[in-house]
Amino acid sequence: DAGVTQSPTHLIKTRGQQVTLRCSPKSGHDTVSWYQQALGQGPQFIFQYYEEEERQRGNFPDRFSGHQFPNYSSELNVNALLLGDSALYLCASSLPTGPGTFGSGTRLTVV
Amino acid sequence: AQKITQTQPGMFVQEKEAVTLDCTYDTSDPSYGLFWYKQPSSGEMIFLIYQGSYDQQNATEGRYSLNFQKARKSANLVISASQLGDSAMYFCAMRPSGGYQKVTFGTGTKLQVIP
Repeated sequence: DAGVTQSPTHLIKTRGQQVTLRCSPKSGHDTVSWYQQALGQGPQFIFQYYEEEERQRGNFPDRFSGHQFPNYSSELNVNALLLGDSALYLCASSLPTGPGTFGSGTRLTVV
Repeated sequence: AQKITQTQPGMFVQEKEAVTLDCTYDTSDPSYGLFWYKQPSSGEMIFLIYQGSYDQQNATEGRYSLNFQKARKSANLVISASQLGDSAMYFCAMRPSGGYQKVTFGTGTKLQVIP
């Protein structure tokens, strides 16, 4: 039984570009949450998707957007990348009230 | 607003000894859940243990137990019989009860187990 799968594992982008990160949830999970983890910090909640709708959002600008597909997989899009967007981006899947199962993350470097 | 505080940036423990990782929290929500996650150097967050705010007993999962003191707003993780594989970052987190609630994480504690 596959856990949470994230792609790509590493990514280097130039400031001002746009990036799309992908997440496939664990089998049986229908809720996907995204987190940003800067070096040496704890994960910061970006947003959560359930039934293809954004249900909760953290304190992130509109440059951060997402989507959930009918098969529960999800994408995180970041526009107009800043150097400060460099971080590990974690996806977690769950049932709506359960603890999250995390993927290994996508490490984004903005240069 | 919710806040999680982990005051120990780093901890050392001898193999086979027990260790306590501290976590205090602040919230105005009447009902909430507390979590601990382990993050090895690979980056994946591994769920360890959960405590509901209205649970009467402290949670236990194998070598992990959660020392929950609601009045003091603390939720310390106790790892018994430490193993070399326990070396990792440990994060305390909380979430209000009910669906679609965001999870707030602390800044983590780096645990190193010494042979």
